[in-house]
Amino acid sequence: DVKVTQSSRYLVKRTGEKVFLECVQDMDHENMFWYRQDPGLGLRLIYFSYDVKMKEKGDIPEGYSVSREKKERFSLILESASTNQTSMYLCASSSLGAGGYDEQYFGPGTRLTVT
Amino acid sequence: GNSVTQMEGPVTLSEEAFLTINCTYTATGYPSLFWYVQYPGEGLQLLLKATKADDKGSNKGFEATYRKETTSFHLEKGSVQVSDSAVYFCALSDQGEIIFGKGTRLHILP
Repeated sequence: DVKVTQSSRYLVKRTGEKVFLECVQDMDHENMFWYRQDPGLGLRLIYFSYDVKMKEKGDIPEGYSVSREKKERFSLILESASTNQTSMYLCASSSLGAGGYDEQYFGPGTRLTVT
Repeated sequence: GNSVTQMEGPVTLSEEAFLTINCTYTATGYPSLFWYVQYPGEGLQLLLKATKADDKGSNKGFEATYRKETTSFHLEKGSVQVSDSAVYFCALSDQGEIIFGKGTRLHILP
């Protein structure tokens, strides 16, 4: 069974802390994504990566960075956590399909609370 | 540019009712279209997809037809169950871009 796993389901951090969210996929997908999900705003793309060591900014990259040192692993980093980064974070991976990206496979999400 | 618009929720129906969740899109190319479902406390999972005009995607009793002339991909189910209660997202993929709708929360009453 294909899988995308995220390192934590729930995380509580203090303002100013450096936070690492890890995502691992076992499908050998080239493309990996980080989204945040907030009520009324749907999914918003933070960063994506189409290959090892490659990254592209999404719609809301401010305050975040990413790392992709291995094909199966994509990390999201909050350099200095702030309360407005309290959210649900979703990782996804996909291969390429006919119209661009094929279906995405999502992890279970990490609910981050910054106090 | 590309965009996805889906009906706002919440949508509340009784068990065995007919379901339609509307989704329309704008795209510059020839997008692939998707419906994802998110059950409480989980990530999104693919429900169905269609990659070209007039294709019909189907899964678990849900169906959606890729209509290029009306730029629509409406989700339908003939008889909903309580277990279908979830949030449903319409999405498109086109020329290296993925766009999600804002989601429609569905409540099914027993």
